[in-house]
Amino acid sequence: QSVLTQPPSVSAAPGQKVTISCSGSSSNIGNNYVSWYQQLPGTAPKLLIYDNNKRPSGIPDRFSGSKSGTSATLGITGLQTGDEADYYCGTWDSSLSAGSVFGGGTKLTVL
Amino acid sequence: QVQLQESGPGLVKPSQTLSLTCTVSGGSISSGGYYWSWIRQHPGKGLEWIGYIYYSGSTYYNPSLKSRVTISVDTSKNQFSLKLSSVTAADTAVYYCARWLRSWFDPWGQGTLVTVSS
Repeated sequence: QSVLTQPPSVSAAPGQKVTISCSGSSSNIGNNYVSWYQQLPGTAPKLLIYDNNKRPSGIPDRFSGSKSGTSATLGITGLQTGDEADYYCGTWDSSLSAGSVFGGGTKLTVL
Repeated sequence: QVQLQESGPGLVKPSQTLSLTCTVSGGSISSGGYYWSWIRQHPGKGLEWIGYIYYSGSTYYNPSLKSRVTISVDTSKNQFSLKLSSVTAADTAVYYCARWLRSWFDPWGQGTLVTVSS
């Protein structure tokens, strides 16, 4: 059971927009920065979004992040078949079991 | 740019100690500012943070693994290492090393599959 809750799967057609939610609590998302990762099949995770809404160099602006209260959202516009991947949210948890935590991951299918 | 590469045995026997090394290139572990981390992913599952180390040797471990984990750093070789003791089949996973800052991991190594089996 992951500390952060994500939907197991989402799907949309090419060219459309999709959002992936990540729900937590005041000990994690509510008081810490959120990051998002893309894991293409058979590869290592890759940083997509950091500090809630910042994109590393090289990440297209089709990818966006936002945070409100104890939830965060990853948005992807202009979907491409190459976006089919697992997406994970992550943050720091300040509870007694302090440390980095991740969501369970969301499988994006581009129909 | 900074790149990370995991290395170590792909097969470990139950009850033994899993040992992996992450070699950092394109930047110095000793430059400071970043923590160096291990993360694992069980087959078909999500990501689990194992722990971090700073170049000074300060460590933070996942409480659920703390009793079995040791992370160390060798600044002369620009490497950091993971030891996980008393392994069982439940420790079979892909192990990644990554650089960590504040709340994000980047970059990641390509990962190495470690299977625990007799």
